[in-house]
Amino acid sequence: DGGITQSPKYLFRKEGQNVTLSCEQNLNHDAMYWYRQDPGQGLRLIYYSQIVNDFQKGDIAEGYSVSREKKESFPLTVTSAQKNPTAFYLCASSIWLAGPYNEQFFGPGTRLTVL
Amino acid sequence: KNEVEQSPQNLTAQEGEFITINCSYSVGISALHWLQQHPGGGIVSLFMLSSGKKKHGRLIATINIQEKHSSLHITASHPRDSAVYICADANSGGSNYKLTFGKGTLLTVNP
Repeated sequence: DGGITQSPKYLFRKEGQNVTLSCEQNLNHDAMYWYRQDPGQGLRLIYYSQIVNDFQKGDIAEGYSVSREKKESFPLTVTSAQKNPTAFYLCASSIWLAGPYNEQFFGPGTRLTVL
Repeated sequence: KNEVEQSPQNLTAQEGEFITINCSYSVGISALHWLQQHPGGGIVSLFMLSSGKKKHGRLIATINIQEKHSSLHITASHPRDSAVYICADANSGGSNYKLTFGKGTLLTVNP
């Protein structure tokens, strides 16, 4: 089955620790995205990537880092510099980045809680 | 700055009722997306439209470009329609299109 997987579903971390969220897709999509969702707010774009070895900052990139070494994988690291890391994180992918009709396919999300 | 506003924020209905969720945006768009987020968190795309109306099963999406407004309608609502419905507009940020999301409408359909 084609789709996007994110792991883990729930993640707890102590304040001051870095943590990496996994995102894998087998849809053969070029573009991948990371969003953050907070209660009462719309999804906000953290980082996006058009192709392997290339990625761009979104609207709220501070305190986050990404890599895109393989087409299928786009891991997100939440660093200790992120002031309010507790949130629901969603990964998405699409065939390509440009174009208003590029349907984005979302993963199931990872809920990160900082203790 | 592009803003996407949804109303209502919360909506409770009885099974069988006709549902309308509204979405307004401030900047001219290239396409308007409607998404559904299930209680577990997963999101699926329902519609993408830039004019007129689209229908899929009991769901209908309309858009009025002049008024910068879109609506999502659900006919004969069912408890399984309970979810958060999100609209997002696709706007050009240079050469690429990015989505700006509304805050979502939480729909609860009671049996």
